[in-house]
Amino acid sequence: EVQLVQSGAEVKKPGESLKISCKGSGYSFTSYWIGWVRQMPGKGLEWMGIIYPGDSDTRYSPSFQGQVTISADKSISTAYLQWSSLKASDTAMYYCARLEYGGSCDYWGQGTLVTVSS
Amino acid sequence: DIQMTQSPSSLSASVGDRVTITCRASQGISNYLAWYQQKPGKVPKLLIYAASTLQSGVPSRFSGSGSGTDFTLTISSLQPEDVATYYCQKYNSAPFTFGPGTKVDIK
Repeated sequence: EVQLVQSGAEVKKPGESLKISCKGSGYSFTSYWIGWVRQMPGKGLEWMGIIYPGDSDTRYSPSFQGQVTISADKSISTAYLQWSSLKASDTAMYYCARLEYGGSCDYWGQGTLVTVSS
Repeated sequence: DIQMTQSPSSLSASVGDRVTITCRASQGISNYLAWYQQKPGKVPKLLIYAASTLQSGVPSRFSGSGSGTDFTLTISSLQPEDVATYYCQKYNSAPFTFGPGTKVDIK
């Protein structure tokens, strides 16, 4: 069974760093792209970027380029999304998703809620 | 970058009604278009990919059509469990932008 399990909710202060994770199982982790999607409170889905764990090829949305870093450790089948300096506007639910061979997101993680507040 | 729009932004229909949601890309994307359903407080779910291919396990009352710039998602007979927000997404090339969503509820 394909599963993506994300790390738990986080509460951080502005300026702090954060790395959240997404662990894949039940399939060949290195053979599928993993994407990250932001959903701010009460708002729609925003595509942040993708990574191919097989070779760490990464693509970012222009809106998120330079704001976050996407990485992966294929030895433990885990993808990451990290911030070096959080802002209150980073408060959102973050989802990881597996991209099927065409590019649509066929499996999703349960989401990680990130709250940034002083 | 290619922009995605959806119409309407929300709709209210009766159980059993036929519901149609439109998604438009600012440039042609062939059939690289997916539709997702997100129920309140839940994780998004893939309904349709390649514009018209139903994802395994999705009820047959959902269908998709279109190619190029104009796409539609149709629910042939709206059910109470279809109350959700529906998003289109293009994936011909990065960024794989989502549309703004269409909220569907029961009249």
